[in-house]
This record gives sequence, structure tokens and C-alpha cells, in this order.
Amino acid sequence: SAVISQKPSRDICQRGTSLTIQCQVDSQVTMMFWYRQQPGQSLTLIATANQGSEATYESGFVIDKFPISRPNLTFSTLTVSNMSPEDSSIYLCSVVLGAENQPQHFGDGTRLSIL
Amino acid sequence: EDQVTQSPEALRLQEGESSSLNCSYTVSGLRGLFWYRQDPGKGPEFLFTLYSAGEEKEKERLKATLTKKESFLHITAPKPEDSATYLCAVQAWGGGYNKLIFGAGTRLAVHP
Repeated sequence: SAVISQKPSRDICQRGTSLTIQCQVDSQVTMMFWYRQQPGQSLTLIATANQGSEATYESGFVIDKFPISRPNLTFSTLTVSNMSPEDSSIYLCSVVLGAENQPQHFGDGTRLSIL
Repeated sequence: EDQVTQSPEALRLQEGESSSLNCSYTVSGLRGLFWYRQDPGKGPEFLFTLYSAGEEKEKERLKATLTKKESFLHITAPKPEDSATYLCAVQAWGGGYNKLIFGAGTRLAVHP
């Protein structure tokens, strides 16, 4: 397995501001993903972070709100832009180490509260 | 539409009291079904992958089984340290990438 580190682990932000979340893996991975877990709910995929190209977003999520970068095979960032209280959530990154049907492994998430 | 439903939402057991968690799914073509454990303040921890009906996987007190419509996570003689939220997720064929659809989870509490 891989060690997946997310920064920051938690933050409290003012509405209208933006926050960039980092995901660092200790080995090269084939795929990286970003999820949102709202309070009391399960995980929803935001986007697939593609190395060297634009991320692939799921329905309901747009690049202007959640820009994603993936400059190499071990690192990705998710920015939550122009935040509102509805963006209060846990944001998690996950990785796949091998083939597409292999399990995803998750970081411990970033707990984000918007005032 | 692909969908995953887990039941019960919450389960309270006495230590040593065996039980099962259910994951029902509707998917166009199942590529894989995944079980995760999530502790408070942590990300999901991978437990099992099941790929075809009839398959079973075991790890310590946990056993996962799969049919064409549902999966069960059997917990035998649970201990308090088994308390967590258990998540089920399915991956469907098609789409060209590794999308997982998660259920809402079952919160398990095991009391001494």
C-alpha cells in the first residue's frame, strides 16, 4: 500500500475565500481522485485528477469551483473556491496503485468549516 | 442509475454477538464491489474486493460474500475495536475510469 498525506488536516475559513488542499503520495500511482463527504453522508466523487491534463469532473462539480492540479504521479491539489457554508465538508483524496479495478486507498481527509 | 443501499444504518451489538451488514446494489455491470472501514476522523480503510457472485473473502472476524444483487459483511464474535462505520462501494463497467459509487454506510457499535 501507499502512504497518502493530506494537508491541511482541518481548517476554518471565511465565506468568499479559497483554500487549496494538497495530497502527497509516497510512491507513483496510476490514478488519483478527489471526494467530498458531507456531514452524516457518504462519499461523492468530485473528479479524477489526470496527470498532465485537465481533471475529469463528475456531474454537479465544475472546474471554476473546484480547480484541480496534478503536476506529477505523486501529487495533486484541490482548490475550493469562493467558499460558502454549504462547502463545509470533508475532502478526501484517493489513489489506485495498479490496474483500474484495484481498490482505491484514501488519505485521512481535510475537514473544512466555512463561517 | 447505479445505486448502492446499505442496511441497517446503525447497529449496536454486544461483544461476541455475531451479525451481518447488508449492501444491496443496482449497477449496469458489476466490475467490483469494495468494503471499507472508516473510523472517526480517518479516511476509509480498504477491507475487501469481490468481483463475481459466489466469491467470499475473510479477514480475522470479518467475512464478505457476494451475490448478483447484494453483498454481506458478516462479523463473527465482534470486539469493541470493531466499532466503526462500514462502507460498501461498487465499480461499474464502462466510463473508462475507476469510479466508485458508495453507500451511506452502517455505523457499528460493539459494547463490552
